[in-house]
Amino acid sequence: AQTVTQSQPEMSVQEAETVTLSCTYDTSESDYYLFWYKQPPSRQMILVIRQEAYKQQNATENRFSVNFQKAAKSFSLKISDSQLGDAAMYFCAYRDTGTASKLTFGTGTRLQVTL
Amino acid sequence: GAVVSQHPSWVICKSGTSVKIECRSLDFQATTMFWYRQFPKKSLMLMATSNEGSKATYEQGVEKDKFLINHASLTLSTLTVTSAHPEDSSFYICSAIPGEANQPQHFGDGTRLSIL
Repeated sequence: AQTVTQSQPEMSVQEAETVTLSCTYDTSESDYYLFWYKQPPSRQMILVIRQEAYKQQNATENRFSVNFQKAAKSFSLKISDSQLGDAAMYFCAYRDTGTASKLTFGTGTRLQVTL
Repeated sequence: GAVVSQHPSWVICKSGTSVKIECRSLDFQATTMFWYRQFPKKSLMLMATSNEGSKATYEQGVEKDKFLINHASLTLSTLTVTSAHPEDSSFYICSAIPGEANQPQHFGDGTRLSIL
């Protein structure tokens, strides 16, 4: 079974600074999807960024980028120019490539953004 | 696009009653929907996969008679918590995938269930 590990329960970053959230996973598949979701206090799940395993290029969405290391099974999220609105729980998630494949979530990292 | 609506957002009810939560895909058809449960400060735990026109697939440890799932159409799945007790109090979230295989799951806003 696939597992997703987030080893940082909490992280803190100053406004305008950069922070990296770690995620590792375990799978025997060669093709799959990886995601970072943000859950603010409203508890809505917001997709931040996704990566397809067959793509070597790291995904980027504005201030959010990933460092995808397939051999190491590592998928970290970098947030640049952090903003107060970035404060939230961040979940790393894995999914197989089948249409109806379920998401496997990590335990989450709570990100605090300070002035 | 790809909006998922979940209703109600918050419900309080007495112990022993049954509660129904609806999950609707508003602008796409969802053959598959998922139901998650989230405890405070914890991750999302998948309860079941809901397939249109067939029985749901429950994860290990989830009581199918307690958590009834119905997916009668391509845009609606319901979760009914039967004979609810205080230990069923939690945050329940649904998600749905548009038809294309490479699309991410889109989540509803969740339902906060409190059983007194």
